[in-house]
Amino acid sequence: EIVLTQSPGTLSLSSGDRATLSCRASQIVSDNYLAWYQRKPDQAPRLLIYGASNRATGIPDRFSGSGSGTDFTLIISRLEPEDCAVYYCQQYGSSPPTFGQGTKLEIK
Amino acid sequence: QVQLVQSGAEMKKPGASVKVSCETSGYPFTTYGISWVRQAPGQGLEWMGWISGNNDKTDYARKFQGRVTMTTDTYTSTAYMEVRSLRSDDTAIYYCARDQGDYGNYGDMDVWGQGTTVTVSS
Repeated sequence: EIVLTQSPGTLSLSSGDRATLSCRASQIVSDNYLAWYQRKPDQAPRLLIYGASNRATGIPDRFSGSGSGTDFTLIISRLEPEDCAVYYCQQYGSSPPTFGQGTKLEIK
Repeated sequence: QVQLVQSGAEMKKPGASVKVSCETSGYPFTTYGISWVRQAPGQGLEWMGWISGNNDKTDYARKFQGRVTMTTDTYTSTAYMEVRSLRSDDTAIYYCARDQGDYGNYGDMDVWGQGTTVTVSS
């Protein structure tokens, strides 16, 4: 199965900053089938990005995804306090679908 | 509005079974599959398996084969997941999610249930 490694483990930034989150796959992700999810405490995960770069319905354009092959990036611009969460990448190009271990984003 | 509403929290003893329900609304149930994902305390998200909306196909992650059964009821648009022979390390939040893919070619999960906490303790 494909192993996804996210970095950094924790990111501490200020409101208004830009966050760059990385997700590296152990093998090529077929068709760039890579998604990003946001999970806030006591809430279910929320789909942000699918197909590496497509924003899900209702997701503000401050969130953008890029990358291909084995290296993918989630960028969150103009950070807001509500962006405080754990972010997970997931590949669904190969079975079984797998998730990264998450990046915790803290807003100072 | 698409919604997935899960059953309430459960406390079970080791060796018991638990069955979690996921009632859906707002979309044609048989058109999409349902994936089940869990998150143990301090751990990441773990895909457990997938079931088609019309209940004719299932696929389980290797570690859950033989111990997990996923079913659907197309009349009530509800998905179910049963875990047998519970162990303490099955303590987790269990989520159902609408899956945009198909059997063997799973997709992103665009709508999630609120989660069901299952605690396994003697």
